[in-house]
Amino acid sequence: GQNIDQPTEMTATEGAIVQINCTYQTSGFNGLFWYQQHAGEAPTFLSYNVLDGLEEKGRFSSFLSRSKGYSYLLLKELQMKDSASYLCAVRDTGGSYIPTFGRGTSLIVHP
Amino acid sequence: KAGVTQTPRYLIKTRGQQVTLSCSPISGHRSVSWYQQTPGQGLQFLFEYFSETQRNKGNFPGRFSGRQFSNSRSEMNVSTLELGDSALYLCASSKDETQYFGPGTRLLVL
Repeated sequence: GQNIDQPTEMTATEGAIVQINCTYQTSGFNGLFWYQQHAGEAPTFLSYNVLDGLEEKGRFSSFLSRSKGYSYLLLKELQMKDSASYLCAVRDTGGSYIPTFGRGTSLIVHP
Repeated sequence: KAGVTQTPRYLIKTRGQQVTLSCSPISGHRSVSWYQQTPGQGLQFLFEYFSETQRNKGNFPGRFSGRQFSNSRSEMNVSTLELGDSALYLCASSKDETQYFGPGTRLLVL
């Protein structure tokens, strides 16, 4: 099984930088995903990390440390539209391609 | 390329009834997964279908079932609805490691 932990809620100011952490425990790691979900909408794919290091994609970056069971999602130049829930999901080596999702971090961006 | 579509988008049922939800995956995607999302429990995996076969199953009671057709479209069925089944039901399709979600069906059980 897996245990995924991320903060429930974070607040930040428009234009700032925010880092959303995710820690996990799994018997065999096989990839970590970040999804963004606006209220009332479907989750949308942001990033996928399977090797250690930082993956940058525009204003969003995702970092992974497999030895520490740790990932973070970094959002730069925050905009009001970034207010959403951010879901961390981990896939293990148990033969299934299905990731287990954390409960999500609700990010509130204020002016 | 069209995204994942789900019908209906909203549904109101009463306890004891049954419901069938439909999902059409992205063209070329053979894997379809179903999730239940509630404020208290987050995103919970129900089951996954690949080439008309259930490949993985989550920890839900037998009242929750599904199937997949030869064109990869999938349906899930919930029988004997309970109040606690009120949730957003999301379908996701994938071709490789990434899942793409549909808009969901919001089910309210009264």
